[in-house]
Amino acid sequence: NAGVTQTPKFQVLKTGQSMTLQCAQDMNHEYMSWYRQDPGMGLRLIHYSVGAGITDQGEVPNGYNVSRSTTEDFPLRLLSAAPSQTSVYFCASSWGQGTNQPQHFGDGTRLSIL
Amino acid sequence: AQTVTQSQPEMSVQEAETVTLSCTYDTSENNYYLFWYKQPPSRQMILVIRQEAYKQQNATENRFSVNFQKAAKSFSLKISDSQLGDTAMYFCAFMKHARDDKIIFGKGTRLHILP
Repeated sequence: NAGVTQTPKFQVLKTGQSMTLQCAQDMNHEYMSWYRQDPGMGLRLIHYSVGAGITDQGEVPNGYNVSRSTTEDFPLRLLSAAPSQTSVYFCASSWGQGTNQPQHFGDGTRLSIL
Repeated sequence: AQTVTQSQPEMSVQEAETVTLSCTYDTSENNYYLFWYKQPPSRQMILVIRQEAYKQQNATENRFSVNFQKAAKSFSLKISDSQLGDTAMYFCAFMKHARDDKIIFGKGTRLHILP
């Protein structure tokens, strides 16, 4: 059971480039989400999905797009990378949206924008 | 590899009581950070408190305090005078110092504050 798999683990981009962070889970979880972790701050929710075909914005959605074409995959796209998007990104999944369901986190993607 | 273990999947306490959430971790590092995150129904992960391993003094934030036992690799969270708004999932997390930003989370403890 692989759990939540994020790729790549590290990435360096130039300002203006685009890229997609991949997230896949093999637990048939309905709920998936993307967070960013910045020094001295808690995880901030970027986008989330309550099921295939459904996505919604979190706290800091600007500059990011998501899609949920399958239950397993929830990619995060940076449209035009900016230095302010340098961060560590975490994908998470759970059975449902309520807090009674534990979240499973991926290992994170460390992204640097030059 | 570092691991973080939260042995209490779920807890319930009465409002105004004090509750302690357990966390143990395993690492060979000497310098690192430890965190407690709260996740309310909004799903946002809120940083409750953090501890730097080189500091012996336990961190405190209002009603939240930690008992950091470095030798025992234990990092428990105490919530005093618990409130209904404290109901949430709580995650313990570990991060190596400085250059490695990877955070390792425990599985979480679901805390219910009962009226």
